[in-house]
Amino acid sequence: DAGVTQSPTHLIKTRGQHVTLRCSPISGHKSVSWYQQVLGQGPQFIFQYYEKEERGRGNFPDRFSARQFPNYSSELNVNALLLGDSALYLCASSPQGTQNTEAFFGQGTRLTVV
Amino acid sequence: AQSVAQPEDQVNVAEGNPLTVKCTYSVSGNPYLFWYVQYPNRGLQFLLKYITGDNLVKGSYGFEAEFNKSQTSFHLKKPSALVSDSALYFCAVSVAGFQKLVFGTGTRLLVSP
Repeated sequence: DAGVTQSPTHLIKTRGQHVTLRCSPISGHKSVSWYQQVLGQGPQFIFQYYEKEERGRGNFPDRFSARQFPNYSSELNVNALLLGDSALYLCASSPQGTQNTEAFFGQGTRLTVV
Repeated sequence: AQSVAQPEDQVNVAEGNPLTVKCTYSVSGNPYLFWYVQYPNRGLQFLLKYITGDNLVKGSYGFEAEFNKSQTSFHLKKPSALVSDSALYFCAVSVAGFQKLVFGTGTRLLVSP
């Protein structure tokens, strides 16, 4: 079975540009979450979506937005990129996205802002 | 605020020896605790979780974790380490009523041959 897939795997953008990251969850999973992992740190929660509705949002500026599509895939959008946005962006899926269930992570998208 | 702490940046152990990676937590209410492992340039892989019940939780690849409520700890253990266990290990707590994971800073495990 395919796991969580993310695209692209690597991306280089210039400050001020916009970026869209994509995630396909495991088949049957209705919840998708996004995390940012800066080098040397643990992942930080950005968003969770369940059944196309935003269920939670982390402490990130409004430049960060996301959405979930009817097939449960998801996009993370970041506007007006800053150097500090350089990080590994991880997508995770789970069947129901409840507090007591584990999340399954993709390999991530490495974003470099220059 | 709900959080986890991993006091060790790195743990070194010889192959075949037991290993322990430490994690302490601070939560209000029932703790939902997780361990994940990350290999270089990879995402996170789920190892095990504590929700309720038995304080000793068994997980993938021979790992287990002991939940200790009085010490607010959830240490990861393995009886006999392998060189292939060398990786970055994260403890996490699930908060907020939905699936928001709050991760520790990670502990790098280095198993020498």
